[in-house]
Amino acid sequence: AQSVSQHNHHVILSEAASLELGCNYSYGGTVNLFWYVQYPGQHLQLLLKYFSGDPLVKGIKGFEAEFIKSKFSFNLRKPSVQWSDTAEYFCAFKMNRDDKIIFGKGTRLHILP
Amino acid sequence: SQTIHQWPATLVQPVGSPLSLECTVEGTSNPNLYWYRQAAGRGLQLLFYSVGIGQISSEVPQNLSASRPQDRQFILSSKKLLLSDSGFYLCAWSVSVGVSSYNEQFFGPGTRLTVL
Repeated sequence: AQSVSQHNHHVILSEAASLELGCNYSYGGTVNLFWYVQYPGQHLQLLLKYFSGDPLVKGIKGFEAEFIKSKFSFNLRKPSVQWSDTAEYFCAFKMNRDDKIIFGKGTRLHILP
Repeated sequence: SQTIHQWPATLVQPVGSPLSLECTVEGTSNPNLYWYRQAAGRGLQLLFYSVGIGQISSEVPQNLSASRPQDRQFILSSKKLLLSDSGFYLCAWSVSVGVSSYNEQFFGPGTRLTVL
């Protein structure tokens, strides 16, 4: 069955540190990929997405992710995190032209001021 | 612009009682609608989705059911709640893949359900 694996369940960093959250999916066909973020007390919202084209995708708040098809990966990166990045991050994918999105279990990111 | 509403925001119910959570979407027609349950450390589990009125797909066999009586209304129900039904329930919508393959999902504020 198709699935998404997020390698880190809980990450603690200091402000200005660099961030990389790992995400791997299991499906051999064409995929659409997403990172969602849930800030404390707020709705789940889209951080960035990949549908086609340039595999390096830039999202809001300085985040980016790179789709590496050969590795079935879509890791999230930010060169310098801020305290306001404290949130839970979810990687997700769907098979191209499908209606369902499959989510990972999430990574809780805690940034120390 | 499109908005999605869920109510109630929080709910405390005894075991064995019925459940009805409601989700409505404004500003779009014929959306896909989804119900998820979010549990700590377990991510988002897709429970049901619907591509049209009266069309419900169940992803996980369980104590819950869903209905779509109107185009932009999605209801999650149970006849008898279990302790294990406690959790955070999220409704989401997207455009149909038939309209656009660029169909990301948009989420509502969620309902926190506690079964005692």
